[in-house]
Amino acid sequence: NAGVTQTPKFQVLKTGQSMTLQCAQDMNHEYMSWYRQDPGMGLRLIHYSVGAGITDQGEVPNGYNVSRSTTEDFPLRLLSAAPSQTSVYFCASKGQHNSPLHFGNGTRLTVT
Amino acid sequence: GDSVTQMEGPVTLSEEAFLTINCTYTATGYPSLFWYVQYPGEGLQLLLKATKADDKGSNKGFEATYRKETTSFHLEKGSVQVSDSAVYFCALRPFTDSWGKFQFGAGTQVVVTP
Repeated sequence: NAGVTQTPKFQVLKTGQSMTLQCAQDMNHEYMSWYRQDPGMGLRLIHYSVGAGITDQGEVPNGYNVSRSTTEDFPLRLLSAAPSQTSVYFCASKGQHNSPLHFGNGTRLTVT
Repeated sequence: GDSVTQMEGPVTLSEEAFLTINCTYTATGYPSLFWYVQYPGEGLQLLLKATKADDKGSNKGFEATYRKETTSFHLEKGSVQVSDSAVYFCALRPFTDSWGKFQFGAGTQVVVTP
């Protein structure tokens, strides 16, 4: 079982550059989400989706865009990277009702 | 809004010691409660969960009981091993959110020495 797959694992960007973090899941989960993890702050929700064509903002959405064209994929786009976006990013998916979140292994992003 | 507070780390223990990580929450109704574990370089993995008051979640020797009266979900293990060294996150899923805008605590790093 692949579960939730994130690419790349590491990325270094210069301020102002753009990039897309990829996330794919093979569990047929309707719900997918992106979190960022920063020291002392736990995980904070960036954007989430409850199905193809449906996305919504989480706690810290500014500077990030998402789309959900298929059930399997949920890419996160940084349009103009800033040093404040240096973080570890996790994609997570979930089945219905009381099922738990399933996490990818993360992408460590550094913006210089 | 809903929130989770857990004790700060790092917590350093010797092998076979007793581990407790405190977690309290603020939420309306009856949220579902979770403990996740993150090993170095990996994503979070579900450790255990409880979905209603007085439920006890358990897995791999870890236990946590959903205490509505004290709004707590403390994680315990009677005898830790070096392999338990990780970061532990307490989380809740709001009662009113069937999908899961989960709230996570800040995480507690646990270091177990031989």
